[in-house]
Amino acid sequence: GQNIDQPTEMTATEGAIVQINCTYQTSGFNGLFWYQQHAGEAPTFLSYNVLDGLEEKGRFSSFLSRSKGYSYLLLKELQMKDSASYLCAVNQGGKLIFGQGTELSVKP
Amino acid sequence: ETGVTQTPRHLVMGMTNKKSLKCEQHLGHNAMYWYKQSAKKPLELMFVYSLEERVENNSVPSRFSPECPNSSHLFLHLHTLQPEDSALYLCASSQAGDSSYEQYFGPGTRLTVT
Repeated sequence: GQNIDQPTEMTATEGAIVQINCTYQTSGFNGLFWYQQHAGEAPTFLSYNVLDGLEEKGRFSSFLSRSKGYSYLLLKELQMKDSASYLCAVNQGGKLIFGQGTELSVKP
Repeated sequence: ETGVTQTPRHLVMGMTNKKSLKCEQHLGHNAMYWYKQSAKKPLELMFVYSLEERVENNSVPSRFSPECPNSSHLFLHLHTLQPEDSALYLCASSQAGDSSYEQYFGPGTRLTVT
């Protein structure tokens, strides 16, 4: 079956670093997406990993290990506006299988 | 208008009503998707249209009926829904044939079935 796991909730402090983990067991794999979704808004694209390793994009980085079925999203220099839900999604030939999302709260 | 738009943003309907959700994309994409997002549950893919043909139907009940008249528009027709169908319905679009291309989402329609 398809299984994608993320922590349900996380809390971090403004200015700190937070790592959101995602583990997956799926029947097919063509890459992994991370999306950010603020309450009441559309999910927006953050990153895409198809090969093992770290992809850095400003304050956000995403890591993938295909052999371990594992990814993480790293957010540095946290800001209050980073409070949102972060969705991990496995790409199966264009079809996305989503985890339940991690609700991140950034506190002052 | 830019990106992916959805109307209405909020909808309350009775179980015997018929209504339609509309999605429009202004990105020149040729694949469109319907997702259901319920509280505390993962986004669930419902339907996929690629080049205006339905290529995925994820065991969705027949009370949900999609329609894709052209590559820019997607509809979800609703009929005799159940209270458990209350959720956020998200539309997305992407470029068919390039599985690495991200999907762009609309803001969703918040549906409440009474």
